[in-house]
Amino acid sequence: KAGVTQTPRYLIKTRGQQVTLSCSPISGHRSVSWYQQTPGQGLQFLFEYFSETQRNKGNFPGRFSGRQFSNSRSEMNVSTLELGDSALYLCASSLGPISQETQYFGPGTRLLVL
Amino acid sequence: TQLLEQSPQFLSIQEGENLTVYCNSSSVFSSLQWYRQEPGEGPVLLVTVVTGGEVKKLKRLTFQFGDARKDSSLHITAAQPGDTGLYLCAGVMGGSGTYKYIFGTGTRLKVLA
Repeated sequence: KAGVTQTPRYLIKTRGQQVTLSCSPISGHRSVSWYQQTPGQGLQFLFEYFSETQRNKGNFPGRFSGRQFSNSRSEMNVSTLELGDSALYLCASSLGPISQETQYFGPGTRLLVL
Repeated sequence: TQLLEQSPQFLSIQEGENLTVYCNSSSVFSSLQWYRQEPGEGPVLLVTVVTGGEVKKLKRLTFQFGDARKDSSLHITAAQPGDTGLYLCAGVMGGSGTYKYIFGTGTRLKVLA
């Protein structure tokens, strides 16, 4: 069974631009969560989607948004990029809500904002 | 405010030594996971503990969940260079309706051959 895949793996953008990251969960998994990892703040929860609905959201500004499609694939969008958005963005999938099921992480998308 | 504090932050030891990593919180967690992350990859789940006082063993790794479900520890016996990586604890805080998934501050372990 294929693992969680994320595209692209690396991305360079400039301040003010927007970016869309993609995550394909493990087949059969209905929940997708997104995380931001930085050296200073560590791993922080962005949001969780289950059956195309956002179930939970972390403490990030509205510039960070996401969605989930009927095939459980998910996208995350960051608008008006800031230098501080440079980070490794991780996606994880699980059979059900992360409060009840084990999460499996993808390799991440490394975003650099110049 | 960091809700899950890990200690130590960095650890460099010789192959064959034992070590313990701690994960502490003032909040109660309904479950707690330990992950290991290597450079360029996402975290890989090592174990999930659910019951207060629970002890789980995975080969040379021993995980313990505190009685009050506020803290946890990871003990590695006879560490090997392959154990090198970033160790993260993480937990679910809150009920089924509104909850947060919180990661610890991380412990970066280097095992020297």
